[in-house]
Amino acid sequence: DIVMTQSPDSLAVSLGERATINCKSSQSVLYSSNNKNYLAWYQQKPGQPPKLLIYWASTRESGVPDRFSGSGSGTDFTLTISSLQAEDVAVYYCQQYYTTPPAFGQGTKVEIE
Amino acid sequence: EVQLLESGGGLVQPGGSLRLSCAASGFTFSGYAMSWVRQAPGKGLEWVSTLSGSGGSTYYADSVKGRFTISRDKSKNTLYLQMISLRAEDTAIYYCANSGYDSSAYYYPYWGQGTLVTVSS
Repeated sequence: DIVMTQSPDSLAVSLGERATINCKSSQSVLYSSNNKNYLAWYQQKPGQPPKLLIYWASTRESGVPDRFSGSGSGTDFTLTISSLQAEDVAVYYCQQYYTTPPAFGQGTKVEIE
Repeated sequence: EVQLLESGGGLVQPGGSLRLSCAASGFTFSGYAMSWVRQAPGKGLEWVSTLSGSGGSTYYADSVKGRFTISRDKSKNTLYLQMISLRAEDTAIYYCANSGYDSSAYYYPYWGQGTLVTVSS
């Protein structure tokens, strides 16, 4: 099974500053036949279900603000919030869907400094 | 608009059983895989099970294999999760999730609000 590991577990960022979350998979999630990384990012606020932000490692879901961006390939990925807003306080998860079982990272809590 | 509405959660004793339901609307079940994902209190997300779009294939996490059964009623557009031999570690919010594709592993644009299962004596 693929294991997803996020870092850091939590971070505090000032409003308007950049927040960067890392995600590492125990094996590559890049499918060579289509050159796609099977990696998604979610945002979860208290009392709510997860919300899909990014899929294919870098494709933003419809309606997601462009301050959210995803990058990386193979085993190392990054979610960047370019200018943190108050409404971005949440827990963020990465997920691989390269193989079954699909697996989530342990989550990164983003707070305002 | 895709909507998923879970029900059936509650308090159950260790060793007990429970059946969760997920009523889907805004799309037709057939052809789309449906999944259950759970979240223990204060913890992260854990994939539990997926039913293929045809209904012919099922997939389970090792932690629930042999104890949970995923199924559906196409006529009611409803997904189920039958849980037996429940343990304290099964305590979690159970989310119904849909990928919009027929794949055993995919990303999930659609989630229900979840139903809480508490296993305790």
